[in-house]
Amino acid sequence: GAVVSQHPSRVICKSGTSVKIECRSLDFQATTMFWYRQFPKQSLMLMATSNEGSKATYEQGVEKDKFLINHASLTLSTLTVTSAHPEDSSFYICSASKPGTPMKEPQYFGPGTRLLVL
Amino acid sequence: KQEVTQIPAALSVPEGENLVLNCSFTDSAIYNLQWFRQDPGKGLTSLLLIQSSQREQTSGRLNASLDKSSGRSTLYIAASQPGDSATYLCAALGTASKLTFGTGTRLQVTL
Repeated sequence: GAVVSQHPSRVICKSGTSVKIECRSLDFQATTMFWYRQFPKQSLMLMATSNEGSKATYEQGVEKDKFLINHASLTLSTLTVTSAHPEDSSFYICSASKPGTPMKEPQYFGPGTRLLVL
Repeated sequence: KQEVTQIPAALSVPEGENLVLNCSFTDSAIYNLQWFRQDPGKGLTSLLLIQSSQREQTSGRLNASLDKSSGRSTLYIAASQPGDSATYLCAALGTASKLTFGTGTRLQVTL
């Protein structure tokens, strides 16, 4: 199997606070993890690519100082939304790929985290 | 920059009908094309993955085809069921393992 979990599944926070979202690959080691954002009735947009032991690569238009990504181990990547504002409210989904086979196997997606900033 | 479009945006069919969902992409330099299912408020479930060298893949009532040269993929669902109701997303895998997602097709299968 290839299971990816996310925690928390849902979070509500006040504007100005920081929120950390965890993404774990439960039964495989993931050298690469990806973070996506999905606004209501829109498709997934890649935010950043996270490689274990190195700095994340952010997509154009994504503020790296606002969305801090840490991939400290082969099974865990975290996304911290710093000083969250209402416009950061969204559905955040992570995915992970098995090492050595990114072109042949699908990315395995977590269940998502719904963030609501009041 | 890769752009992926899905048509139609929404589709409603009666139970039992066969249906086709369309996906088009602008950059044919892809490694694979994937189809996902997303239920409301949930994550993604991988349905089918077609390698760039392949023409189609089948899983149960689902069949996906790929025509890389024309930048098109289709997902065929046979004998649709109410449980098939969901949003279907296609995604093209390009360089640096980046997936570019389509806009999605919201499918509703009615009794």
